[in-house]
Amino acid sequence: AQSVTQLGSHVSVSEGALVLLRCNYSSSVPPYLFWYVQYPNQGLQLLLKYTSAATLVKGINGFEAEFKKSETSFHLTKPSAHMSDAAEYFCAVSILLNYGGSQGNLIFGKGTKLSVKP
Amino acid sequence: EAGVVQSPRYKIIEKKQPVAFWCNPISGHNTLYWYRQNLGQGPELLIRYENEEAVDDSQLPKDRFSAERLKGVDSTLKIQPAELGDSAVYLCASSLGLAGPTDTQYFGPGTRLTVL
Repeated sequence: AQSVTQLGSHVSVSEGALVLLRCNYSSSVPPYLFWYVQYPNQGLQLLLKYTSAATLVKGINGFEAEFKKSETSFHLTKPSAHMSDAAEYFCAVSILLNYGGSQGNLIFGKGTKLSVKP
Repeated sequence: EAGVVQSPRYKIIEKKQPVAFWCNPISGHNTLYWYRQNLGQGPELLIRYENEEAVDDSQLPKDRFSAERLKGVDSTLKIQPAELGDSAVYLCASSLGLAGPTDTQYFGPGTRLTVL
């Protein structure tokens, strides 16, 4: 079975500091991985996705993530945090094996809430 | 381009009452998803449609939940009767349905349900 684990339910950084949100995956086959962001009272918005092309994936709003097979990780980073980055971030893995029509379904982590201090 | 539209945005009901949520996906998107997001958790899939067909409803509690997607466009999710534990945000998402497991899902703003 595939799953993701997000380390740290809350992360707080100062404005201008590095943002690092951690995600580890479990998968018996090469995974497809996603990062979504959720602003208060809004739906989820795709930041970036890894689909087995380049291991370093660049997304919107200056975020990027690196797929590391040896560490089973897909951590999200941004060099300099902005106040507008305060939100909840979800890592997700896409189901690859088609049991009962499940191929393509996303399994989400529990999320990491990012706070940005002035 | 309009995004995924959901209504109502908020709903408060008493337990044992019925409730329905409506979703209008992005035009041209064949795949539609309903998720439930409990407080402090990530979304969990309830049901997925490919056009009009429910291709995965394994996580839908069928004793009280039902869903339909008539004509392969709009969808309705119903709970009858609601229980206290159903309080959550119900998210609808849609995707083109052409890229399989790498498809990007686009989410609506959700309906926040409170059951008293």
